[in-house]
Amino acid sequence: GAVVSQHPSRVICKSGTSVKIECRSLDFQATTMFWYRQFPKQSLMLMATSNEGSKATYEQGVEKDKFLINHASLTLSTLTVTSAHPEDSSFYICSASLGPYEKLFFGSGTQLSVL
Amino acid sequence: DQQVKQNSPSLSVQEGRISILNCDYTNSMFDYFLWYKKYPAEGPTFLISISSIKDKNEDGRFTVFLNKSAKHLSLHIVPSQPGDSAVYFCAASAYYNQGGKLIFGQGTELSVKP
Repeated sequence: GAVVSQHPSRVICKSGTSVKIECRSLDFQATTMFWYRQFPKQSLMLMATSNEGSKATYEQGVEKDKFLINHASLTLSTLTVTSAHPEDSSFYICSASLGPYEKLFFGSGTQLSVL
Repeated sequence: DQQVKQNSPSLSVQEGRISILNCDYTNSMFDYFLWYKKYPAEGPTFLISISSIKDKNEDGRFTVFLNKSAKHLSLHIVPSQPGDSAVYFCAASAYYNQGGKLIFGQGTELSVKP
């Protein structure tokens, strides 16, 4: 199946710093990628839809200035958590699909811990 | 408003028996449903899906049933194996209305005991 690579797998940072997470589709082109967040013992919550060459679409309640998304190419989307705070500590997962009515393939996730 | 609900946070089953995981949804526009399996600190992996034009889809030990009138779907795993122990998420999408976004349930932690 299609492979989505996410890097880094784990980040520990100080409060106030910015963290960039990369998501790559390795063997297919993804015009759309999705970013999810999961808190412990909770569901995966969609944060934003990343569209190649245009602005991301954010879900209600997600601060676009805090979670910067860039989808500069058909194989790469990045999520930057700006001025991270302890409450941003979470498991962030990206995903991509081959197209409408195709299943989503997920990256391996990034565990962010903000001290 | 939780559009996709998995009301059982956990399920314990004996090896070799059937595991039945349930999922309910409220949005009648959902037309595509998926089940994902997830281990801690890893991304979800796709298991099986079903579109709203079907009421059953089978893949090996995994079968998904869809009851549109009840807005309910279930995942059957038979026979269950210890390696099936993980958190299972159901997810739903209304492609024409939501552009392919998936809405996930809260997950059910399955434990298969030898």
